[in-house]
Amino acid sequence: ETGVTQTPRHLVMGMTNKKSLKCEQHLGHNAMYWYKQSAKKPLELMFVYNFKEQTENNSVPSRFSPECPNSSHLFLHLHTLQPEDSALYLCASSQGRVHEQYFGPGTRLTVT
Amino acid sequence: AQSVTQLDSHVSVSEGTPVLLRCNYSSSYSPSLFWYVQHPNKGLQLLLKYTSAATLVKGINGFEAEFKKSETSFHLTKPSAHMSDAAEYFCVVSDGGGGADGLTFGKGTHLIIQP
Repeated sequence: ETGVTQTPRHLVMGMTNKKSLKCEQHLGHNAMYWYKQSAKKPLELMFVYNFKEQTENNSVPSRFSPECPNSSHLFLHLHTLQPEDSALYLCASSQGRVHEQYFGPGTRLTVT
Repeated sequence: AQSVTQLDSHVSVSEGTPVLLRCNYSSSYSPSLFWYVQHPNKGLQLLLKYTSAATLVKGINGFEAEFKKSETSFHLTKPSAHMSDAAEYFCVVSDGGGGADGLTFGKGTHLIIQP
């Protein structure tokens, strides 16, 4: 499999649930990202990992918890989410911070 | 610091007519510039990139963009629109300065193709 993959593609969860989003990149890149894309709003960068180290956390609420066990895998752990957290969550990877990023297909999250 | 402005939030053209999506940028260094396309409920796909080589850059699906330093612009064009081009388009800048900025995304332009 090539490129950036994300699972699941769709997720519906209640506000008391705990779930995780998974991202895997097969491009040999060293940087990985989580973005949130809500309707009618610009793309929001949430977290950045460079060589497995978190280098950026853009004031994301603690109910979102990232994990990067190695350069190829990135997780986003979710717990006690709010309805306003419903969005498309996109994962991306790149070879360094200033180069083009390659995106996965996203996970459509609905919080009920 | 770097920033990017997409001048139109929506653009509507008829099938078979030219497409122009406008983008202006600011950058403290020699920038790299990108255009991405996003179809509904899909991830972003790289259309083309400029990285200080030729100023006219050709991308996928017949799109191209011209880097104009004097105008700080990187407009996206296509000679003849197709129905499958209907999507959201993002202009992106990277100043390569090595700072924490990385890539900066524009707010997007929604391209509508009229039959």
